[in-house]
Amino acid sequence: DAKTTQPNSMESNEEEPVHLPCNHSTISGTDYIHWYRQLPSQGPEYVIHGLTSNVNNRMASLAIAEDRKSSTLILHRATLRDAAVYYCILSKAGGYNKLIFGAGTRLAVHP
Amino acid sequence: GAVVSQHPSRVICKSGTSVKIECRSLDFQATTMFWYRQFPKQSLMLMATSNEGSKATYEQGVEKDKFLINHASLTLSTLTVTSAHPEDSSFYICSARDPGASNEKLFFGSGTQLSVL
Repeated sequence: DAKTTQPNSMESNEEEPVHLPCNHSTISGTDYIHWYRQLPSQGPEYVIHGLTSNVNNRMASLAIAEDRKSSTLILHRATLRDAAVYYCILSKAGGYNKLIFGAGTRLAVHP
Repeated sequence: GAVVSQHPSRVICKSGTSVKIECRSLDFQATTMFWYRQFPKQSLMLMATSNEGSKATYEQGVEKDKFLINHASLTLSTLTVTSAHPEDSSFYICSARDPGASNEKLFFGSGTQLSVL
C-alpha cells in the first residue's frame, strides 16, 4: 500500500480555516485519497475522499495537487468540535479494499 | 446515513475468559466488515477482514485462534477474544461499507474498550 506522510500535530484557533497537509509521493493512478477523523474515544468518521479533482462537501474541502503527490484537507472554519486526529489514507477503488491507517495529524483547536 | 452499531461499548473481564464483541450494520447489508484494534495514543491497526459466509482474512501477526471472527449474516460480524490476557486490553473497532452508497466510504462502529484484569 502506498504510504502517506502527515505532520504529527497542528493547532488552530476557533473560527479560522485549517489546512491539513498530506504527502503521498508514491500514489498510483488507481489510489483514492481518503480523509477520516477520530474524536476521542470514538470510532473514526468519514470526512471526504477524492481521486483527481478537488472535492467539497458539508464538512470540508479536499484540494489535490495536479501530480497527485500531495493533498490538503481544508476545514473552512474550525470549531472546538473539530479537535480530532485526522487520517489521510490511500486505497484502491472497490468495496472490499481495506483502509490502512497511518499516524495521522492531531488537531488542537483553541477558543 | 448508514450506521454501524458495535456492542458492548465497554467490557471488563478476568484474565483467561473469553469476550465477544458484536458489530452490526443497521440499515444495509455488509458482505465485508473490518476489525481494528487501537492502543492508547496509537493509530488503528487492521486485524482482519470479515467475509460473510466464509473465513476471515487475518493480517500478518494477528493470531486467528485467539481472535475468532464469525460473519454468519449480512448484518452481523462478531469478534471473540479467547482466553483474554491483560495485553489484549485495547480499543476494538469494526467497520463496513454500504454497497448502496458511495463505494469508497467506510462506516465505523463506536468502538469497544476491553479491559482485562
